[in-house]
Amino acid sequence: GAGVSQSPSNKVTEKGKDVELRCDPISGHTALYWYRQSLGQGLEFLIYFQGNSAPDKSGLPSDRFSAERTGGSVSTLTIQRTQQEDSAVYLCASSSQGAGAGTEAFFGQGTRLTVV
Amino acid sequence: KQEVTQIPAALSVPEGENLVLNCSFTDSAIYNLQWFRQDPGKGLTSLLLIQSSQREQTSGRLNASLDKSSGRSTLYIAASQPGDSATYLCGAGTYKYIFGTGTRLKVLA
Repeated sequence: GAGVSQSPSNKVTEKGKDVELRCDPISGHTALYWYRQSLGQGLEFLIYFQGNSAPDKSGLPSDRFSAERTGGSVSTLTIQRTQQEDSAVYLCASSSQGAGAGTEAFFGQGTRLTVV
Repeated sequence: KQEVTQIPAALSVPEGENLVLNCSFTDSAIYNLQWFRQDPGKGLTSLLLIQSSQREQTSGRLNASLDKSSGRSTLYIAASQPGDSATYLCGAGTYKYIFGTGTRLKVLA
């Protein structure tokens, strides 16, 4: 596709349920990022994938959060046993080589997660 | 640990004014700095990317500068228009981006 695609655009889930959020990066981009944006807040880094290297998971807030990237392309962010404080917009971005190579990052439209 | 601060947090100006948004970062060992705009309920749209070896970048009415040694970047918007109303975010890039909380701009017609 032409841009970063995220699905679903909106997700309402009950507290305690598991959710999966999907990110389709721009074709050929080796770097993929997940961020979280709570209401009125800045972007909180969650996880970074670069090619075949081990991901940087340092931003994941708890062990209920995990992410994988299959075949160096599509990524899935999984939140287990969701809590109300997980309600936020989850944003995915990709770049051709990662910020360390000075390349531009492009963001998707985000998934708005509401835990009720 | 990289920290990014954006000043002011909010700004309201009449149409036609030139304005400056400020971004400061604590760790000067960045590879690039990128400015984005975010419209309500939307993702981030890239405006300008300044690589660490560059001092400024221009696109239309926008000009961004970077001073790594002082840990500062500015985004200059010339002849502001109501369509410029949005939140502007800067991201300081090492191998990942760390963001400020943004400047919420409102341009009044």
